[in-house]
Order: sequence, then C-alpha cells, then structure tokens
Amino acid sequence: DIQMTQSPSTLSASVGDRVTITCRASQSISSWLAWYQQKPGKAPKLLIYKASSLESGVPSRFGGTGSGTEFTLTISSLQPDDFATYYCQQYSDYSPAFGPGTKVDI
Amino acid sequence: EVQLLESGGDLVQPGGSLRLSCAASGFTFSDYAMSWVRQAPGKGLEWVSGITDSASTTYYADSVKGRFSISRDNSKNTLYLQMNSLRAEDAAVYYCAKDHDAYVFGGWFDSWGQGTLVTVSS
Repeated sequence: DIQMTQSPSTLSASVGDRVTITCRASQSISSWLAWYQQKPGKAPKLLIYKASSLESGVPSRFGGTGSGTEFTLTISSLQPDDFATYYCQQYSDYSPAFGPGTKVDI
Repeated sequence: EVQLLESGGDLVQPGGSLRLSCAASGFTFSDYAMSWVRQAPGKGLEWVSGITDSASTTYYADSVKGRFSISRDNSKNTLYLQMNSLRAEDAAVYYCAKDHDAYVFGGWFDSWGQGTLVTVSS
C-alpha cells in the first residue's frame, strides 16, 4: 500500500502569511493527489485535485504543485477562515490513502 | 445541491454488527462511485471502502476486509455499509463521500455527508 506523510504536523502562522505544506508518497503516484481542508466538527472540503487543479469555488489563494512523490499545498495569503487541518490524499490505486494531516493555527 | 445524509451510527458492543446508510440527493446517484471514509476521535481520515457506480466492483481497506461490506441501491439513491465483528478500533465518525468524476472509481471526493458516529464499547 502507498503511504502518505505530511510536514509539518502543526504550523503556526498569522493572517497574511504565505503557508506551505508538504506531502510525500512512498512511491510515485503521478499527479493523483488531492488536498482537503477540515474544520473541527465538520466534513472535509476538497480544495485541489490532480495535484494542481483548483476545485470550483475554492479561492485562488490556494495552490498545489508537484508530481511523482513530492507535493505542496500553498496558501498565498492566509485568511482567518483558513485556520484548519489540511490533508493530502493519493488516489493512484484502488486503495485511496490520506496523509496524517497538518494543523494550521494562529 | 448535492446532499449526503448518513444514518445508523450507534453504540455497539465489541463483536457486534451495525449497518450504516447514506441517502443521496441533488445528483444522479447511479452515475457516481461512492466511498465510506472514517475518522476516529481526534485522529485523521481513513478511507474504508468504495463501490463503483453500477455496484459491479467493491474495494476495501485491509483493516476492514472480510468484516465490512459496502453496497448500494441505485433505485433508492442510498449507499450502505454493513459492519460485522466490530472492534474498539472501528469507533469513529463515518462519512459517505461522492467521487468527483462520473462513471469511474476515482477515489477522490468532492462531496461529503455530515457523518454518523459509531461507538464500540462494552
């Protein structure tokens, strides 16, 4: 099975900061990677798919890059609504797997 | 608007069984693969099981293979998860999730339900 890791596990930032989260896969997943945002008590929300495609309705301050085994999620200017936990997810095989998450707090 | 409404979560003893349901609306249910994803209290997300649009193929995480069974009734726009031989480590909020693209099992999800809580304890 493909294992996903994320770094950092927690990130402290301020409004207006540029934030980058890294996700690594244990083997190549091409561009079959999604990013989700989750707030406490809520379901996850899809932000990015195919590593760099922005889901409809998601603000353009969110961006994704990468392919193969290393990927990044960047928030260009952190907004108050962006404090949440972010998960990457690979879907290159029939056993989708999530990373452990990165909590972005103040 | 896509809506997914899970139900069936409950307190169950170890070794017990439970069936979860997910009622879908706002899209052509029979065109999309669906999955169950769970989240233990304070923990991350874990994909549990998926099923193709026609129900011809099902997929399971190793952690639930042989104990859980996913199914769907396209005439009722409903997804199910039958959970048998439940363990303490199965306790979680269970979400149903809709695949982004129609007609294929993509395994990435653009719509999620609000979740239903399964507690496994004696």
